[in-house]
Parts: sequence; C-alpha cells; structure tokens
Amino acid sequence: GENVEQHPSTLSVQEGDSAVIKCTYSDSASNYFPWYKQELGKRPQLIIDIRSNVGEKKDQRIAVTLNKTAKHFSLHITETQPEDSAVYFCAAKTGGSYIPTFGRGTSLIVHP
Amino acid sequence: GAGVSQTPSNKVTEKGKYVELRCDPISGHTALYWYRQSLGQGPEFLIYFQGTGAADDSGLPNDRFFAVRPEGSVSTLKIQRTERGDSAVYLCASSLGAEETQYFGPGTRLLVL
Repeated sequence: GENVEQHPSTLSVQEGDSAVIKCTYSDSASNYFPWYKQELGKRPQLIIDIRSNVGEKKDQRIAVTLNKTAKHFSLHITETQPEDSAVYFCAAKTGGSYIPTFGRGTSLIVHP
Repeated sequence: GAGVSQTPSNKVTEKGKYVELRCDPISGHTALYWYRQSLGQGPEFLIYFQGTGAADDSGLPNDRFFAVRPEGSVSTLKIQRTERGDSAVYLCASSLGAEETQYFGPGTRLLVL
C-alpha cells in the first residue's frame, strides 16, 4: 500500500518568514494530494490540494508543488502569521482508491 | 451549510464497557469514513461506507469494532469491551462521492480508564 513520509515533525518560524513542509510518497499511481490544517482540539480542514496533472497550485499565501518523478510534494506558506500555527497533514490517494494515506503531521509554530 | 457533526464530543468510559459514537455527514454526501487519530499521529483509516454498505472495513483493528449506516446517512461506530488502548480521537469524514474531497467532523475524544 501507499506510504507517506512527512518532514519536519516540528517547524518553528518567526512571523513573516516562509515555512515549507515536505512529503514523499511511495505509490507512483497516487494522483491526488490534499493538505489539511488542524488547530488544537479542532477538526482537520482542507486548505489546498493538487492533482497529478499539474505541478503547482497557489491560493494567496499558500502554495503546493508536486514533483511526480521524485514522488514528493511540498506545502509553502509565505508571510507566516501567528494564526498559521497548527498541525499540518499531507495525504496521498491513488486513482480508484477512496482512502487517502496521511503523513504523521508537522507542528508549525509561528512566533510573533 | 452544516458541516459534519459528531456526538458526543468527549466520552469517558471504563475498561470493558461498550460505547457508541455517532456521525452526521454533510447532507447529500454518499461516502462516509471513520478514522482514529492518536496523539501526534495522522488520521488512521478504519472503515468506509458508500451509501448503506460498508465498502471497506479493512482498517478496523479487531472484531470489537463495528460500524453501521442503516439509512445511508447517519453512522454509528460501536466499540465493545473497550480497552485503554482504544483511547484516541475518532474522526468521521464525508464526501460527495468516493473520489471527492473529504470533509472532517470535529471528532469524539474517547478516554478509556
């Protein structure tokens, strides 16, 4: 089955800096890659996703890049703000499968 | 519109007891998923429903865990003879179809003493 590795497990940045979280996956058939943000005690919320037919997608301060050859995808957050502090999860899903495999999460801390 | 809801938000029980956790998916969503999330981990798949039937229950850890969705909407996750190791947050998610984006509920935090 699919295996998703996520790094780093913890990321601490100063407000205004950029943050990058990277995930690698094992199944070359994976074609859908969502990112979820989970604040303490809250539900995971989808923040951005990308499908394998594109290499990059942006939504304001958030972007995701996908390298299918290397089987990795990354979340980029620019101009970080304290409210960006949360745990971020990546996931990968193959076509025809309905179950995404999640990474272990990255705890992002943005210091004011 | 209303998102996925789960009840109770917290459940404390004693080892050996039976518990039921409820999930109300987004109206019209045919696919429903149960996950378990332990501290410091990502969601771990338990079971998936398409309509009323359990299309995939391969993630259920053992036969103490069971889930139903009798009318294709609300689902109940049932845990018999609870063990301390069952303590976790149980998340429910729904999607419009199997290939669509999943939306999560707030979870039920289960603590087995």
